Amino acid sequence: KNEVEQSPQNLTAQEGEFITINCSYSVGISALHWLQQHPGGGIVSLFMLSSGKKKHGRLIATINIQEKHSSLHITASHPRDSAVYICAVLMDSNYQLIWGAGTKLIIKP
Amino acid sequence: DAGITQSPRHKVTETGTPVTLRCHQTENHRYMYWYRQDPGHGLRLIHYSYGVKDTDKGEVSDGYSVSRSKTEDFLLTLESATSSQTSVYFCAISEQGFYEQYFGPGTRLTVT
Repeated sequence: KNEVEQSPQNLTAQEGEFITINCSYSVGISALHWLQQHPGGGIVSLFMLSSGKKKHGRLIATINIQEKHSSLHITASHPRDSAVYICAVLMDSNYQLIWGAGTKLIIKP
Repeated sequence: DAGITQSPRHKVTETGTPVTLRCHQTENHRYMYWYRQDPGHGLRLIHYSYGVKDTDKGEVSDGYSVSRSKTEDFLLTLESATSSQTSVYFCAISEQGFYEQYFGPGTRLTVT
């Protein structure tokens, strides 16, 4: 069993829809990182959070440490949001990052 | 965007040849990392550095070496490239160890 699981693996939605991407983990963590990778490769840091909720523009990230679960939400989705979204957890035992496999999101116009 | 550059951006080389990839940062961040990204594997850590001349291995370090003689530069060397090292290589930096990381644009390496 992977220590970090993302769901869904692939998601296709229409422009304007509310999007939710999930990340569950089985280890103790001190923080969780959400990143975005567009086709063509560039990786961009979106959020680093250890509790509660963070918001940036149309993106919202939440984390529930007790349930070992985080969600990334996109409101009013747009085709430019099409990308792979990756979560990574920072283990509290050795401060190593464990990476999820990513969720590929396609937003159709 | 964090000031991180990688060179070269693309490289094709033959099996058995040495290859060096360079990562350069202008952010003065203490930590630097080298990852490889392959289909079906996500990002995997090769080596990282926590200061000048201070480096440590990641999960896939075999066949790779690194050097950091200046804060701003982190070099990844494949002493004798193999086809299994065909991949996209990303450099990343962070102020705190393994905390929020900022990535370079990547280097696509093909070993024929």
